[in-house]
Amino acid sequence: DVKVTQSSRYLVKRTGEKVFLECVQDMDHENMFWYRQDPGLGLRLIYFSYDVKMKEKGDIPEGYSVSREKKERFSLILESASTNQTSMYLCASSLNAGWAYEQYFGPGTRLTVT
Amino acid sequence: GDSVTQMEGPVTLSEEAFLTINCTYTATGYPSLFWYVQYPGEGLQLLLKATKADDKGSNKGFEATYRKETTSFHLEKGSVQVSDSAVYFCAVVRSRGSTLGRLYFGRGTQLTVWP
Repeated sequence: DVKVTQSSRYLVKRTGEKVFLECVQDMDHENMFWYRQDPGLGLRLIYFSYDVKMKEKGDIPEGYSVSREKKERFSLILESASTNQTSMYLCASSLNAGWAYEQYFGPGTRLTVT
Repeated sequence: GDSVTQMEGPVTLSEEAFLTINCTYTATGYPSLFWYVQYPGEGLQLLLKATKADDKGSNKGFEATYRKETTSFHLEKGSVQVSDSAVYFCAVVRSRGSTLGRLYFGRGTQLTVWP
């Protein structure tokens, strides 16, 4: 089974802190994604990566950065956390070949910024 | 651009009722279509998928048929259970002309089933 793990299920940080959210997948997937999920807004794509050291902005990249130094790991960085970044963060991965592109999701990290 | 519009919730049903959650999409080329489910406190799981017109995806009693003429992929289940209570997301991805496999999601539909 594909497994996508995220470093924390729950995280509480203070305004202005630098926050790292880690995601690891074990299926040698090329693509990795970071989303945030908010009530009434569904999933919104923050950043994605289709190869090591490659990254593309999604729909809401402001206030975030990412790092992909190894194929299996994709990190989301909040440079200076703010209260409006309180949210559920979901990581996903997928193959970059074939016709299905189904994404596999981690369990999510619920981040609270106070 | 590519997008998905799905029925807004919440949807509340009694056990054994019939479920339909509507989903329509906008995408160029020959997209693949998905339904994901999110149970409370968990990430999203793939429920079913369809990769070409007239394909029917099915899983756990849920079904959805890829209708290219109406650009729809409605989710149905004949008899829902309390354990089906979750948030359901429709999603679309281009199958050609894209190497990135980006999914476009609907906003999700909350389903609550009462015993």
